Amino acid sequence: EILMTQSPATLSVSPGERATLSCRASQNIGSSLAWYQQKPGQAPRLLISGASARATGVPARFSGDGSGTDFTLTISSLQSEDFAVYYCHQYNIWPRTFGQGTKVEI
Amino acid sequence: QVQLVQSGAEVKKPGASVKVSCKASADTVTTYSMHWVRQAPGEGLEWMGIISPDGGSTYYSQKFQDRVTLTRDTSTNTLYMELSTLRSEDTAIYYCARDALYCSGHCSFDPWGQGTLVTVSS
Repeated sequence: EILMTQSPATLSVSPGERATLSCRASQNIGSSLAWYQQKPGQAPRLLISGASARATGVPARFSGDGSGTDFTLTISSLQSEDFAVYYCHQYNIWPRTFGQGTKVEI
Repeated sequence: QVQLVQSGAEVKKPGASVKVSCKASADTVTTYSMHWVRQAPGEGLEWMGIISPDGGSTYYSQKFQDRVTLTRDTSTNTLYMELSTLRSEDTAIYYCARDALYCSGHCSFDPWGQGTLVTVSS
């Protein structure tokens, strides 16, 4: 099973600041990496797939990068609605696995 | 736009089984692979299994292999997840999710159902 490790666990930032979230896979997953945003009481929402492709309707301030084992999600200028938990997800190898999440808070 | 609408919250006793439904729009269940993911309170996401669109074949996480059954009803475009021999650690929100558009075999999940809370308590 591929272990997905996210860092940091919590990221404290101010509105307008840049946030960089990291995700590391325990083995090579190519570009089969997605990022999801989850707000309290809601289901996860797909932000990024293929490591860097924004899903439909996702603002351009969200960007993804990386391949192989190391990936990043960058939010260029945090808006109030971006405060949430973010999960990475590998879909290259069975079973599918998720990181433990990064909480972005004020 | 595809919607996945799940059944309501359940309360079960230890040792019992639970069956959660996920109703999809149009012919989703015969076109896309569908997944089930759970989330314990305050915890992360855990993939449980997949059911394919063609013959309804399934593949489960080893952790749930002996206790979970995924099925579908193509006449109503509804998926089902049944989990047996429930224990307190199974208390979680259970989500259905579809393979994303325009992918094959290696797919992110989009969209997701709204989730169903299953509480296991004596």
